[in-house]
Amino acid sequence: DIRMTQSPSTLSASVGDRVTITCRASQTIERYLAWYQQKRGKAPELLIFDVSSLESGVPSRFSGSGSETEFTLTISRLQPDDIATYYCQQYHTFWTFGQGTKVEIK
Amino acid sequence: QLVESGGTLVQPGGSLRLSCGGSGFTFRNHWMTWVRQAPGKGPEWVATVGQDVSEKHYADSVKGRFTVSRDNAKNSLNLQMNSLTPEDTAVYYCARHPRGSSAFEIWGQGTRVTVSS
Repeated sequence: DIRMTQSPSTLSASVGDRVTITCRASQTIERYLAWYQQKRGKAPELLIFDVSSLESGVPSRFSGSGSETEFTLTISRLQPDDIATYYCQQYHTFWTFGQGTKVEIK
Repeated sequence: QLVESGGTLVQPGGSLRLSCGGSGFTFRNHWMTWVRQAPGKGPEWVATVGQDVSEKHYADSVKGRFTVSRDNAKNSLNLQMNSLTPEDTAVYYCARHPRGSSAFEIWGQGTRVTVSS
């Protein structure tokens, strides 16, 4: 099974800060990597697929990069609406999620 | 839009059938998946069915106990869950994706399953 490990588990930043979340795969997943945002009490929503493709309607302050086993999600200027938990997901071999990164406003 | 139903409180060892109805898109053109999320945990993939039901995949944690099915004529996805244990307690979401190896582009609002005596 492919394991996905995210860091950090929790992140506290100020409005306007640049925020970076890292996701590591236990084996190469090529570019089969997505990022989701989940707000409290809601279903996850797709932000980015295929490492760096922005889902329709997602603000351009979100971006993704990486390849093989190491990937990052960047929020260029953190906004209050970005308070959420973020999950990476591989879909190279079945589907596996990371354990999540909770983003808080300082 | 995806709408799940069928979640409830069930005793350990019991069975439950969840349903998910799709609308506003061509249901038969999409792969469909069940994902669950236990309280305070991240999402966990459960089961997936291809567009024409010939391809089904299950997580090891549910293999042999859960069965996924779909009825393209009724735009519906189902999950038959047997031999339930407290570890199956979670919110269950259905999600659609355009092909096998792809991200889940649309999710339902979820239905809560609690396994407890």
